Amino acid sequence: DQQVKQNSPSLSVQEGRISILNCDYTNSMFDYFLWYKKYPAEGPTFLISISSIKDKNEDGRFTVFLNKSAKHLSLHIVPSQPGDSAVYFCAASGGGNAGNNRKLIWGLGTSLAVNP
Amino acid sequence: NAGVTQTPKFQVLKTGQSMTLQCAQDMNHNSMYWYRQDPGMGLRLIYYSASEGTTDKGEVPNGYNVSRLNKREFSLRLESAAPSQTSVYFCASSVDRINQPQHFGDGTRLSIL
Repeated sequence: DQQVKQNSPSLSVQEGRISILNCDYTNSMFDYFLWYKKYPAEGPTFLISISSIKDKNEDGRFTVFLNKSAKHLSLHIVPSQPGDSAVYFCAASGGGNAGNNRKLIWGLGTSLAVNP
Repeated sequence: NAGVTQTPKFQVLKTGQSMTLQCAQDMNHNSMYWYRQDPGMGLRLIYYSASEGTTDKGEVPNGYNVSRLNKREFSLRLESAAPSQTSVYFCASSVDRINQPQHFGDGTRLSIL
């Protein structure tokens, strides 16, 4: 059973507009969430993260929002650029002990296409 | 600025052959990880090493062995390859503190016939 779910396999937006990628999780013990971007034939690249003690974290054009009561997080990209076209993965970790803190549980990814 | 380097990038094996995938990081990270990525399955942790001299099983360890050779290097071995092990394998490393991101290599694409 998927503990981290990205229900939209793909998303298409126009250059300059906002991209919103969503992620839901089921394990209430998760306390650290990350977003990675992946281009074809490359490894995932860390984008932004958020701890469960926060509800928002911003880094340039990228903002991650966390709604713990809904077990939902989202990644906002504003403004979207063609170079943002990639697969975006949501990942989570946690559970209290060091071993669980190191184990990332991954969603299946959302393929974002930003059209010029 | 190499980061995490994986070799080889591509490999084709026959069923029953053995192979070692190599991974090295130059970021002085304590923790290292091996994942596999399959269509429709996301990334799944095979083994990880929290620090030099220690290794632990992840989600899908069967059919694999690992060696943390030193702080920089973490290898993954398939003793008797099976078609079910056809996958893309990623190595990652991180600082050994909680809430630190993992940094990935570009992957090894392995096909087993």
